[in-house]
Amino acid sequence: DIQMTQSPSTLSASVGDRVTITCRASQSIHSWLAWYQQKPGKAPKLLIYKASSLESGVPSRFSGSGSGTEFTLTINSLQPDDFATYYCQHYNNYPLTFGGGTKVEIK
Amino acid sequence: EVQLVESGGGLVQPGGSLRLSCAASGFTFSDHYMDWVRQAPGKGLEWVGRSTNRVYSYTTEYAASVKGRFTISRDDSKNSLFLQLNSLKTEDTAVYYCARGGSPANYYYPMDVWGQGTTVTVSS
Repeated sequence: DIQMTQSPSTLSASVGDRVTITCRASQSIHSWLAWYQQKPGKAPKLLIYKASSLESGVPSRFSGSGSGTEFTLTINSLQPDDFATYYCQHYNNYPLTFGGGTKVEIK
Repeated sequence: EVQLVESGGGLVQPGGSLRLSCAASGFTFSDHYMDWVRQAPGKGLEWVGRSTNRVYSYTTEYAASVKGRFTISRDDSKNSLFLQLNSLKTEDTAVYYCARGGSPANYYYPMDVWGQGTTVTVSS
């Protein structure tokens, strides 16, 4: 099984900051990586697919990059609505697996 | 509006069974792979399993943690997805989400539509 490791697990930031979250796969997943945002008590929301493609309706301050085993999610100019937990997930093969999550907190 | 609505959660004793349902609307359900994902209290997301579509003979895939105990099925005529949970353990306590996966337009696509979740509590 492919293990997905996210870092950091918690991140403190201020409105307007640029934030970067890293996700590493235990073996190559090519570009078959998604990023989700989840707020407390809510379902996850797809932000990025195929490592760097922005899902329709997602603000352009979100961007993804990487391929193979190293990936990043960047949020430019953090907004109040962006304080949430972010998960990466591979869909290269079965079983699909998620990273452990990164909670973005208000500094 | 594209929508998924789960139901069927509740309190069940260890060793018991439960059947969850997911009603889909607003899209061509029969085209899509469909997934179940769960989240234990205070924990991260865990993929439970997937049903492919008719083109792929409705094959199913499961996480090792549930294989042999959980069964995914679907009824395309009713736009519905199901998850049968048997031999439940306390560690199966979680919110269970159904989610839409890929379609013939793009099978290599992640889960882009999620339901609101239904809570399963396994406790004596």
